[in-house]
Amino acid sequence: KNQVEQSPQSLIILEGKNCTLQCNYTVSPFSNLRWYKQDTGRGPVSLTIMTFSENTKSNGRYTATLDADTKQSSLHITASQLSDSASYICVVLNTGFQKLVFGTGTRLLVSP
Amino acid sequence: NAGVTQTPKFRILKIGQSMTLQCAQDMNHNYMYWYRQDPGMGLKLIYYSVGAGITDKGEVPNGYNVSRSTTEDFPLRLELAAPSQTSVYFCASKTPGGADTGELFFGEGSRLTVL
Repeated sequence: KNQVEQSPQSLIILEGKNCTLQCNYTVSPFSNLRWYKQDTGRGPVSLTIMTFSENTKSNGRYTATLDADTKQSSLHITASQLSDSASYICVVLNTGFQKLVFGTGTRLLVSP
Repeated sequence: NAGVTQTPKFRILKIGQSMTLQCAQDMNHNYMYWYRQDPGMGLKLIYYSVGAGITDKGEVPNGYNVSRSTTEDFPLRLELAAPSQTSVYFCASKTPGGADTGELFFGEGSRLTVL
C-alpha cells in the first residue's frame, strides 16, 4: 500500500538548535519527494523537491536528504528560529501528478 | 501577488445545506486541485482539473462536485452537507511542466464545520 510515514509526530527544540525530521515511504513507483512547511492556519508552502537521482537539496537553513534505495528522506533544520515552528509535511509523488501521497506531518515547536 | 485565493475562510453549515467553496488563481496555471485535511491525517485529493472544461475525481470525491469554466476559477460544491465533511479544504494550482513536475501553490484554506 502506498504510504508515507513521518517521525516524530511532534518535537520541541530550543531556539538556535538543530533538528532532523524523518520520512519513510512505501510509494511505488516513485517519482519525486517533496517537503512542505505548513504554518498554523495556513496552506502548505514548498521547501524542496527531490527526484530519485538527487541525494541532497538545500533551501537556506533547510536541507533534505533522500535515499531512494531504503525509501527514506530526512529534513534537517539548522540554527532553528521561532518562525520555524510549523508542521512539516513529506509528500511522495507516484507516477502521474495526481497521485501525491501526503504524510501526516511532524509538528515542530521552537521554544525561546 | 495574489497567488491562490480561497473564500470563505470559515463557514458553519447545518446538515443538509449546500454551499460552494471558491478558488481563484492568477498565475494562469492549467492544473488545479482540491484537497481536504482532517486532523491527524494527510491531505486527500477530492477533485482535480487539467484545464478549463476538464475535471476528474480524486481519492475522496463523494459528496462533492466541481466545475472549471475558466482557467482562473475552480469552485468546489458541497451538496447535502454531512458532519463527515467537517474539514479544512485547500485549493492548489501547479506550475507548467510535465505530469510529474511542477510546483504546487496552495491557498490559505477554508475551514468548514457541519453541525
